[in-house]
Amino acid sequence: QKEVEQNSGPLSVPEGAIASLNCTYSDRGSQSFFWYRQYSGKSPELIMFIYSNGDKEDGRFTAQLNKASQYVSLLIRDSQPSDSATYLCAVTPAGANNLFFGTGTRLTVIP
Amino acid sequence: ETGVTQTPRHLVMGMTNKKSLKCEQHLGHNAMYWYKQSAKKPLELMFVYNFKEQTENNSVPSRFSPECPNSSHLFLHLHTLQPEDSALYLCASSHGLAESSDTQYFGPGTRLTVL
Repeated sequence: QKEVEQNSGPLSVPEGAIASLNCTYSDRGSQSFFWYRQYSGKSPELIMFIYSNGDKEDGRFTAQLNKASQYVSLLIRDSQPSDSATYLCAVTPAGANNLFFGTGTRLTVIP
Repeated sequence: ETGVTQTPRHLVMGMTNKKSLKCEQHLGHNAMYWYKQSAKKPLELMFVYNFKEQTENNSVPSRFSPECPNSSHLFLHLHTLQPEDSALYLCASSHGLAESSDTQYFGPGTRLTVL
């Protein structure tokens, strides 16, 4: 069973704070990891992807991957109300061509 | 805009109706996907097509019938659906399947309600 686990939240942070979103996965051989953002009533849109252990930064977003512990996280610095959305973690397990998604974490940034 | 369009955006149908969902991608991708998104559940992969050939059928009931006439168009034909099939149906595309890192881009989805 290829599972991707996320805390459903809601996670509330004040404007300007760092939001930390976490995801764990069950398939140790997973290779590719994605974070998607989904606004209410909209489709998922890609924020970042990461393949290698360590950190990857893109603007206010940082993805962190730890394959030994089987978790991937997303940090959002200087959180804005416009960041309020559901964040989906997706993983490509070993030998698979498809994405497996978590249920998502709902983030609310309070002005 | 992601370059993936879906029509209709909203659909209400009875259990005896037959309808079709349409997806078109303008990104030059070779792989296309259908997903189902229900409340409180992860996105569920339904079908995958690569170069018009179906490569994945994730144990989807036969009342859902996909069609991929070319790499740019994907259809999902619906017949005798059940109320529990009400969900957001999302289409996605990616450059290919050869690399597991191929990013998928999603369309806006069709919100389906089965009465």
